[in-house]
Amino acid sequence: GAVVSQHPSWVICKSGTSVKIECRSLDFQATTMFWYRQFPKQSLMLMATSNEGSKATYEQGVEKDKFLINHASLTLSTLTVTSAHPEDSSFYICSGSGLAGVWETQYFGPGTRLLVL
Amino acid sequence: AQTVTQSQPEMSVQEAETVTLSCTYDTSESDYYLFWYKQPPSRQMILVIRQEAYKQQNATENRFSVNFQKAAKSFSLKISDSQLGDAAMYFCAYRSALGQNFVFGPGTRLSVLP
Repeated sequence: GAVVSQHPSWVICKSGTSVKIECRSLDFQATTMFWYRQFPKQSLMLMATSNEGSKATYEQGVEKDKFLINHASLTLSTLTVTSAHPEDSSFYICSGSGLAGVWETQYFGPGTRLLVL
Repeated sequence: AQTVTQSQPEMSVQEAETVTLSCTYDTSESDYYLFWYKQPPSRQMILVIRQEAYKQQNATENRFSVNFQKAAKSFSLKISDSQLGDAAMYFCAYRSALGQNFVFGPGTRLSVLP
């Protein structure tokens, strides 16, 4: 149980375009979803936290107008990278926690690799 | 603010042997949760084991067990009978009972030698 999916698994886009990443909790209701960014050989860096139906809370230094997060339902959150630039190339991971298994645990998606040319 | 430290950037273990990964954390809270996650080359984060701070008994999950020392703020992971599939990055994580966010350590890369 407690499976989280992400789509797409990888994406290549041109500089200046926008990219949307979907995160779905498949078998539980994720009252809270998290978005992370991970650089090679580094730990996860939290970008933002979102509760269903509320605006996301962004970590210091993360541009909310560039990384748009929507958590419209208990099973779906989206991250849109607007006007992407090469420095936005990274591995993005979502996770969910809520009414599944152990509520205080985060269950992670498989990640999305973004390459901006 | 809480911090999590993993002092071993890399570790290696012979197949079938036992290895212990270290994790220490800093907090002024008395109620919290601790986790070990594994990230294999696929980069999928997988929950290995979790521990509630109010429980004195160390958590175990098959070949994985922890040594939770609350007073010392230490939370080490022991992997017994290591298998090739255990090779991965291992992250220690802290979660306050009052908040939602995790604080992750920098990770330990574990290699398993055949």
